[in-house]
Amino acid sequence: QSALTQPASVSGSPRQSITISCTGTSSDVGGYNSVSWYQHHPGKAPKLMIYEVSNRPSGVSNRFSGSKSGNTASLTISGLRAEDEADYYCSSYTISSTLGYVFGTGTKVTVL
Amino acid sequence: EVQLVQSEAEVKKPGESLKISCKGSGYSFPNYWIGWVRQMPGKGLEWMGIISPGDSVIRYSPSFRGQVTISADKSISTAYLQWSSLKASDTAMYYCARHLTTVMALDMWGQGTLVTVSS
Repeated sequence: QSALTQPASVSGSPRQSITISCTGTSSDVGGYNSVSWYQHHPGKAPKLMIYEVSNRPSGVSNRFSGSKSGNTASLTISGLRAEDEADYYCSSYTISSTLGYVFGTGTKVTVL
Repeated sequence: EVQLVQSEAEVKKPGESLKISCKGSGYSFPNYWIGWVRQMPGKGLEWMGIISPGDSVIRYSPSFRGQVTISADKSISTAYLQWSSLKASDTAMYYCARHLTTVMALDMWGQGTLVTVSS
């Protein structure tokens, strides 16, 4: 099972919006609404930002939103802030692995 | 407060064995799966495996099956990740995380355990 494909880096200025893509196949992203997104600041524990494609856990800012079209899921961060600078990973359920889950390759978000 | 607390950083030599731990508190530990995730230096997150502490059902990523052993002791709310013979390539940060099967996501993460394997 190969990792889901994400852009290596995405950047934006404060208050702008950015979108991170997560591309898989019909065996994972395209076949199930089980995509989640994680924010990871270096040296800290990753944090769940989105689950089931578009749902936000309690306490996560509504500046973070998720969507999916076909085999590609997306995370949009609106009103970009300095504290949003981090690595972001998608994850999906997959039938192509006995484990059942796969991460994306990860995207470094830089706030200019 | 729901939390997962992992054991401290380890420095080991190639060929040595190691068992790191992840202790849950603030919730019913047997009722939630625990996942293990690896992050090698400068690399991304990788799923290693997942265990149901209540009945010790385990699923491994094909990349890690036979390389590590995942276990749990529900009586002390602790999950484990162990190696019988470490390699330099096992040098990484290892995270445990609580898995919500209803939404298929990892909602609570431990702080990570850094394992360094060097001669």
